[in-house]
Amino acid sequence: GAGVSQSPSNKVTEKGKDVELRCDPISGHTALYWYRQSLGQGLEFLIYFQGNSAPDKSGLPSDRFSAERTGGSVSTLTIQRTQQEDSAVYLCASSGVQGAPYGYTFGSGTRLTVV
Amino acid sequence: AQSVTQPDIHITVSEGASLELRCNYSYGATPYLFWYVQSPGQGLQLLLKYFSGDTLVQGIKGFEAEFKRSQSSFNLRKPSVHWSDAAEYFCAVGSYNTDKLIFGTGTRLQVFP
Repeated sequence: GAGVSQSPSNKVTEKGKDVELRCDPISGHTALYWYRQSLGQGLEFLIYFQGNSAPDKSGLPSDRFSAERTGGSVSTLTIQRTQQEDSAVYLCASSGVQGAPYGYTFGSGTRLTVV
Repeated sequence: AQSVTQPDIHITVSEGASLELRCNYSYGATPYLFWYVQSPGQGLQLLLKYFSGDTLVQGIKGFEAEFKRSQSSFNLRKPSVHWSDAAEYFCAVGSYNTDKLIFGTGTRLQVFP
């Protein structure tokens, strides 16, 4: 697609439920990133996929968080047993063959509210 | 440790006034520097970037930024702010040998008519 697409744009879920957030990167972009933006905070790195390499999961805050990327394209971020502190905007970004140093293109984000 | 600092959490300016948003970085390698803008309910949009060469870079929407290696700074400027510039601004740093960008905590810009 022309841009990075994220769905849903908003998600309200009950504490303890599992949620899945989807990211569809720009066609041909090999790198895909997930960030979390909490109220009043900067961007917190979560996970990074590059081609067929093993993902960099160093930013995932707990084992309740996981992500996968199928076919080198679409990615799903899954949060199990959601907690109120998981409420945030989850941003996905992708970058092209030149790589991250040349900048990301971000999606519009998914606003997750855990009640 | 690698880090980006945006000292101003919130800035308020009048429409038509000049603007400077501060960004300082701590980075071991030669930095690549970015400014992103986030309008309410939107993702982040790239305003400008610096890799090498001329230390004054021009971006979209009339913004510019100057890389000062001696001060480890990459401040964003605009000579005359418009009401539509009200948004949150993020500075970020990376390098040729890194896979991730490091972001500052952002500066929220409010513009009064």
